[in-house]
Amino acid sequence: GIQVEQSPPDLILQEGANSTLRCNFSDSVNNLQWFHQNPWGQLINLFYIPSGTKQNGRLSATTVATERYSLLYISSSQTTDSGVYFCAVEAWGYQKVTFGIGTKLQVIP
Amino acid sequence: EAQVTQNPRYLITVTGKKLTVTCSQNMNHEYMSWYRQDPGLGLRQIYYSMNVEVTDKGDVPEGYKVSRKEKRNFPLILESPSPNQTSLYFCASSSRLAEITDTQYFGPGTRLTVL
Repeated sequence: GIQVEQSPPDLILQEGANSTLRCNFSDSVNNLQWFHQNPWGQLINLFYIPSGTKQNGRLSATTVATERYSLLYISSSQTTDSGVYFCAVEAWGYQKVTFGIGTKLQVIP
Repeated sequence: EAQVTQNPRYLITVTGKKLTVTCSQNMNHEYMSWYRQDPGLGLRQIYYSMNVEVTDKGDVPEGYKVSRKEKRNFPLILESPSPNQTSLYFCASSSRLAEITDTQYFGPGTRLTVL
């Protein structure tokens, strides 16, 4: 099956700093999503981005499908950005969804 | 309000006692799915359903059953729970556009402990 790798596994940022999270996948995908799991366990949609670039406030994401990676950018980080960030993909020809193991982000004041 | 609901939110049970975790969505989504989340392993798909009466195995289906008799409901059944099924479970739903799954929306999670 498709492999999904996220990096870095852990990240500590000072409030106000910027960061880039990466998601690599091993095969062509139908779709790709980024999620944020907050410290209370809730999974929140950030982006549905099988290709191209999207922006939502301080967050933006880019997926380069031909090179099999996606990037999530967080600018001017805030303590509320803390949690785990997951990417999830659906490989072409399959209906299964595969998650990466996530990037754990801690933003300190 | 568009949402995915799960019940119960927390459950402690004993080995072998059958249980059902319910999942319901009010967005008329075709696709529904169950995941389990374990430390260091991310989320892994247990079962998914493309539509009513259409279900298929995900990556970790052993020990679980599902059914999809109505579009809005997708219960997860553990016929004989074992301690290795202690986990955090999520239900999700999404629409399907041209054979491609759209944005997935997740329920709040069910924390299950099997003693």
